[in-house]
Amino acid sequence: NAGVTQTPKFQVLKTGQSMTLQCAQDMNHNSMYWYRQDPGMGLRLIYYSASEGTTDKGEVPNGYNVSRLNKREFSLRLESAAPSQTSVYFCASSELMNTEAFFGQGTRLTVV
Amino acid sequence: GENVEQHPSTLSVQEGDSAVIKCTYSDSASNYFPWYKQELGKRPQLIIDIRSNVGEKKDQRIAVTLNKTAKHFSLHITETQPEDSAVYFCAASADDSNYQLIWGAGTKLIIKP
Repeated sequence: NAGVTQTPKFQVLKTGQSMTLQCAQDMNHNSMYWYRQDPGMGLRLIYYSASEGTTDKGEVPNGYNVSRLNKREFSLRLESAAPSQTSVYFCASSELMNTEAFFGQGTRLTVV
Repeated sequence: GENVEQHPSTLSVQEGDSAVIKCTYSDSASNYFPWYKQELGKRPQLIIDIRSNVGEKKDQRIAVTLNKTAKHFSLHITETQPEDSAVYFCAASADDSNYQLIWGAGTKLIIKP
């Protein structure tokens, strides 16, 4: 089992460009998440999907959109990238919202 | 909304000694408190968690204690080893916020040989 797989691992964007981060899990988990991690700030929740067919905003949703494509896949889209979105992005999944979360390997995004 | 504060930001201990990391939370409705370990360049991984109906939980050299009255919880690592060097994150969630996890800022634990 691969667990949680996210692509790409690294990305450089110019300000104003758009991109989609892909995430897939093979653990039959109900809940999926997108976090960003900035130095000295821990992880901040961008969006989450408690179950297939639902998505909700987290702490820092501005500038992002998400799609829960099916139970396995949860994508994050940046419509118009800004330098403030330079960060490491982690996708995660869990059986339920308040159970152990399993993380992908992360995407290091730089916006110039 | 929930706020989680974590202290210290950096902790340096001699190999074999104990390490304690503390977190405080603001939402009295919080009822799930996990701890994650993140090694350099790696993904966070759960090491232990506790729910509000339990005061203490142990797993080998790792233990977590919860004081609901004071709204704080702590991670205790005994007999520290070089492989314990990492950043540790606490988090808290409550059912009145749809169980969103709110994370502390992290503690960098350095084990000195």
